[in-house]
Amino acid sequence: DIQMTQSPSSLSASVGDRVTITCQASQDISNYLNWYQQKPGKAPKLLIYDASNLETGVPSRFSGSGSGTDFTFTISSLQPEDIATYYCQQYGNLPPTFGGGTKVEIK
Amino acid sequence: QVQLVQSGAEVRKPGSSVKVSCKTSGGTFSSYGISWVRQAPGQGLEWMGGIIPIFGTANYAQKFKGRATITTDESTSTAYMEVSSLTSEDTAIYYCARDLKGAIGITGYFDYWGQGTLVTVSS
Repeated sequence: DIQMTQSPSSLSASVGDRVTITCQASQDISNYLNWYQQKPGKAPKLLIYDASNLETGVPSRFSGSGSGTDFTFTISSLQPEDIATYYCQQYGNLPPTFGGGTKVEIK
Repeated sequence: QVQLVQSGAEVRKPGSSVKVSCKTSGGTFSSYGISWVRQAPGQGLEWMGGIIPIFGTANYAQKFKGRATITTDESTSTAYMEVSSLTSEDTAIYYCARDLKGAIGITGYFDYWGQGTLVTVSS
């Protein structure tokens, strides 16, 4: 199975800050990488698909980049409603696997 | 719009089995796949397996092979996940998710999710 290493596991930032999360795959997955947001008590929500494409209806402050094994997820200006845990997930190979998650909090 | 509505919370004893349903609406059931992802309390997300209704074949993560069974009923656009030989380690929220690229044989593009079903395994 492909291992997804996500960092940091948690972060605290102020409203308006730029937030960056990284995800590293244990082998080349091309751009088969998605990012999800999960708020407490809710199901995950797809934000970014195929590494850099914004899902319809998702605010433009969210973005993604990368290919191969190294990927980045960015919130350009953190908002209070962005408090959540974020997961990367690869689907280049079966089984699909998720990173360990990054819990984002407001400082 | 697309909706996935799951069955309610379940409590089971160790060694028993549980079957969770996922009724879909707002899309063409045979045009995509359905996957099941679980989340143990305070933990991350774990793909269990998925099925592509038009092909009728299911794939499973290695750790669930032989213990989990995914089926569908196209007449009601409903998918099911049954897990047998339950232990306390199976206590988790079980999510179904629409696998958008399932019809072209790609598993892992989860664009819509059910609300989750809490399964508690306790003696």
